[in-house]
Amino acid sequence: DAKTTQPPSMDCAEGRAANLPCNHSTISGNEYVYWYRQIHSQGPQYIIHGLKNNETNEMASLIITEDRKSSTLILPHATLRDTAVYYCIVRASTGANSKLTFGKGITLSVRP
Amino acid sequence: SQTIHQWPATLVQPVGSPLSLECTVEGTSNPNLYWYRQAAGRGLQLLFYSVGIGQISSEVPQNLSASRPQDRQFILSSKKLLLSDSGFYLCAWSVAGRAKTPLHFGNGTRLTVT
Repeated sequence: DAKTTQPPSMDCAEGRAANLPCNHSTISGNEYVYWYRQIHSQGPQYIIHGLKNNETNEMASLIITEDRKSSTLILPHATLRDTAVYYCIVRASTGANSKLTFGKGITLSVRP
Repeated sequence: SQTIHQWPATLVQPVGSPLSLECTVEGTSNPNLYWYRQAAGRGLQLLFYSVGIGQISSEVPQNLSASRPQDRQFILSSKKLLLSDSGFYLCAWSVAGRAKTPLHFGNGTRLTVT
């Protein structure tokens, strides 16, 4: 799987949008971008994924650049409960055993 | 809806003792199953994955083994634990045959080897 690069940490104010960046400059054409988050002492929680179009669900929006070399996860109105480690992962779309490879992620701290 | 169960939630075991962690999935058939480990302050490391009963692939050679005796049951074992086996163990599942579907994780087992 291609590697991703994320800043180690960032913070934002409660109620404001949190924009989490991710670089994946070596992504292949068949690789999806996935985002997960992990709140302390819990299992990772799936947030969203996409291939090349922007995606939105009830949790977040995913913006992927046209060249697919980077993406941004947007939490539109961050709350204190969004404080977590966020992982950006690329994963091949082919193969029944396509695996997720987690990096160190970015620690988001939402301040009151 | 699908659910995944892991137990126990926490476990303290002495060095040299055996280990058995169990994971079961409900609400789906023939899932892909995974075991991950997260050491303190580090990212998640894939240990094993399975695409069917009795089919186990190991990602990292180590002191652990995995088995899948039933379609929706995944077991992580060790005959003799080492101090380095301490960590947060996570089971996950995904829909078989569709690699782009997400993995869904359980709440994990925190293992401390003393």
